[in-house]
Amino acid sequence: EPEVTQTPSHQVTQMGQEVILRCVPISNHLYFYWYRQILGQKVEFLVSFYNNEISEKSEIFDDQFSVERPDGSNFTLKIRSTKLEDSAMYFCASSGGGARSNQPQHFGDGTRLSIL
Amino acid sequence: AQSVTQPDIHITVSEGASLELRCNYSYGATPYLFWYVQSPGQGLQLLLKYFSGDTLVQGIKGFEAEFKRSQSSFNLRKPSVHWSDAAEYFCAVGGEFDKIIFGKGTRLHILP
Repeated sequence: EPEVTQTPSHQVTQMGQEVILRCVPISNHLYFYWYRQILGQKVEFLVSFYNNEISEKSEIFDDQFSVERPDGSNFTLKIRSTKLEDSAMYFCASSGGGARSNQPQHFGDGTRLSIL
Repeated sequence: AQSVTQPDIHITVSEGASLELRCNYSYGATPYLFWYVQSPGQGLQLLLKYFSGDTLVQGIKGFEAEFKRSQSSFNLRKPSVHWSDAAEYFCAVGGEFDKIIFGKGTRLHILP
């Protein structure tokens, strides 16, 4: 079964540094998402992306965050100047359709981001 | 606004016993409902989903869930749990927007 793959599985970064989290969505999917899960808390929506633009973002997704689909297969999340509170597990998801399409989101295994 | 409540943070059952995990949602229109499972250190795996039609939905690994509009609930059930079912279970709701709103999760412990 096709999978969403995320790299790296664990990223350790100094506070203030930039970090890029990478995702390869399922190949025929068109809708892409990032979520995060702070340790011990629930999974929170960050951003959705379709047709090369952001379709929705949460209040968490402020100016330090950006997303990009640099080529036909990758979907990246960039955090420009990391803060301690950015430490979390970041999940990428993809879907073959949008909200009303009867197609669920499939999640990757996540990247654990640790900010020192 | 969409929201999901999972009232049980931890549930412990004996192997072979039946299981029910509770989920209540808040959403103004017909919701899309999901259950995901997360094993330690792993990602989120979709167990089952409800979009429309039959309110009793079957999922993978022997799980089922029933959508009850009158109670705003989507409880997850399994008739006989296995030790490998120990994990964290997340109920989630989607709707007119692309995002999914997750509950805080229920951690399932299995006694031998």
